[in-house]
Amino acid sequence: GAGVSQSPRYKVAKRGQDVALRCDPISGHVSLFWYQQALGQGPEFLTYFQNEAQLDKSGLPSDRFFAERPEGSVSTLKIQRTQQEDSAVYLCASSLDRQGAYEQYFGPGTRLTVT
Amino acid sequence: AQKITQTQPGMFVQEKEAVTLDCTYDTSDQSYGLFWYKQPSSGEMIFLIYQGSYDEQNATEGRYSLNFQKARKSANLVISASQLGDSAMYFCAMREAYNQGGKLIFGQGTELSVKP
Repeated sequence: GAGVSQSPRYKVAKRGQDVALRCDPISGHVSLFWYQQALGQGPEFLTYFQNEAQLDKSGLPSDRFFAERPEGSVSTLKIQRTQQEDSAVYLCASSLDRQGAYEQYFGPGTRLTVT
Repeated sequence: AQKITQTQPGMFVQEKEAVTLDCTYDTSDQSYGLFWYKQPSSGEMIFLIYQGSYDEQNATEGRYSLNFQKARKSANLVISASQLGDSAMYFCAMREAYNQGGKLIFGQGTELSVKP
């Protein structure tokens, strides 16, 4: 079956532009996570959805970051008025259950470059 | 406080030899999980192996094994019979408290280079 997919794979934005990053999780996966990975660092948690409910957004760095998963499948991470420090790879992961008992499957990521 | 520590920014190993990648963690939870992921240059995170805090046996998955020492709070990854395709970044991660959905906390990673 298909894995987690993300689009676009690469995005270049001028400072101040808004961007939207899409994640298609594995079908049937309840949990969906977004992580941010700066160059040379490990991924850092941004936000978590259980079906359509956003249960944890403690990792979002500012109110310019917004995520949604309206129908409990596809998710979109939106960044408003992008800044250079937003340049990173944004990883999406999904997991089968809501308790975190299963491993997370990651997508290929979206590399965002803000110029 | 850093929850996951990987002290080896880079490691070299000769092809066909074994290598150990270090990971120490910090948590006050009794129930937690430890993961290793591989990230090749393509960028995708590939799940390798999982160890639960209550598991008494060290986890093994093919050429990967996890040396879990609970009292020392360490979860080192051992790769046996290294292959050229093992060259990649390796991340140790921890999941605390299952009722919080399972978000992962990652270390800084270790870059492994396998020499022919």
